[in-house]
Amino acid sequence: GNSVTQMEGPVTLSEEAFLTINCTYTATGYPSLFWYVQYPGEGLQLLLKATKADDKGSNKGFEATYRKETTSFHLEKGSVQVSDSAVYFCALSVQTGANNLFFGTGTRLTVIP
Amino acid sequence: NAGVTQTPKFQVLKTGQSMTLQCAQDMNHNSMYWYRQDPGMGLRLIYYSASEGTTDKGEVPNGYNVSRLNKREFSLRLESAAPSQTSVYFCASIRQGITGELFFGEGSRLTVL
Repeated sequence: GNSVTQMEGPVTLSEEAFLTINCTYTATGYPSLFWYVQYPGEGLQLLLKATKADDKGSNKGFEATYRKETTSFHLEKGSVQVSDSAVYFCALSVQTGANNLFFGTGTRLTVIP
Repeated sequence: NAGVTQTPKFQVLKTGQSMTLQCAQDMNHNSMYWYRQDPGMGLRLIYYSASEGTTDKGEVPNGYNVSRLNKREFSLRLESAAPSQTSVYFCASIRQGITGELFFGEGSRLTVL
């Protein structure tokens, strides 16, 4: 089946620290991979995506590389800011159009000044 | 730029009461979704509508009904609310042919006493 496993939280970092949130997946086909971010009191929004192996998605200083050999899509940022405090969800999709995204359980990140 | 709008944002119900969550999108998207978000469980799909006039069950449809009123609107109804339905509900929509890039509403927090 299709599933996503991501790093348990919560994660607390000091400002300017390096961030890694691990995500691994199981998929029956050739998935597209996504990271969504949920800021406090808001809905989820797409942070970045990668649609095929070895693609690197990037946005707002975050990046993640689609690793087919390790079935992983780890999220990284070199220097986090207080404004990055949010819940991060890894997700995969194996269909186009009216698809279903399979979400991880989310990882809460808190960045302290 | 409204995007996806959900109402109400907060609701408290007693066990056995009914209510409808409303969702509307102004992006001319074909497909719409209802998810619930529970601590430690990520997002789970309740129902989705691939296009106007069609609806399909997701992972956790029991206790819910939906109506795709037109292309813009997709409502979720709880006929007889139960405490297990206490959750945060998110409506989302997607552009046709774009895999996984969902646009989410801000969420509706429902408490069933």
